[in-house]
Amino acid sequence: AQSVTQPDIHITVSEGASLELRCNYSYGATPYLFWYVQSPGQGLQLLLKYFSGDTLVQGIKGFEAEFKRSQSSFNLRKPSVHWSDAAEYFCAVPISSGSARQLTFGSGTQLTVLP
Amino acid sequence: DGGITQSPKYLFRKEGQNVTLSCEQNLNHDAMYWYRQDPGQGLRLIYYSQIVNDFQKGDIAEGYSVSREKKESFPLTVTSAQKNPTAFYLCASSGDSRREAFFGQGTRLTVV
Repeated sequence: AQSVTQPDIHITVSEGASLELRCNYSYGATPYLFWYVQSPGQGLQLLLKYFSGDTLVQGIKGFEAEFKRSQSSFNLRKPSVHWSDAAEYFCAVPISSGSARQLTFGSGTQLTVLP
Repeated sequence: DGGITQSPKYLFRKEGQNVTLSCEQNLNHDAMYWYRQDPGQGLRLIYYSQIVNDFQKGDIAEGYSVSREKKESFPLTVTSAQKNPTAFYLCASSGDSRREAFFGQGTRLTVV
């Protein structure tokens, strides 16, 4: 079955440290892939997206992600984390359901940033 | 500015009452979605609509109903049949179901 998985429920890093959030997908073809960020009590904001082409994509707020077909992964990275990056992060994939596609989300990774 | 507007931001209702959450978009998007978010469970799809006057059930549609009479509007009704309605509800839209979705700011519903 098509699915998207975020293995890490909660990650804690120190401010200034590097960050990598994991996302794995199960999908027959090359998928479209998205990363979203959510601050408490707010909606989701798109960080970056991958459709095709260069497997390293740049997003907003200094984030990047790399699509690795061999590992079925689309991990989110940032070289130096800021305190304002503390939030919940979601990976998403449009997955077919009958004749339609639904944007399906991983369960999210909560990021805590220590001063 | 283009975007998605959800209202109200906070909503309180007594158990057994139906309640309708509003979602309006001016992005000219065909597709609209309703998600429910509970702590530690990510986003779960309630209903989605790819075109006016058509909508499909998502993974957790029981106890909810929707309508799509206008392209801009996709209201969600939480009925008394929904066993545990207290949650954070998010509306989204996209120009293409394969593309990214844009989200509203959410409505936090509390049923007492």
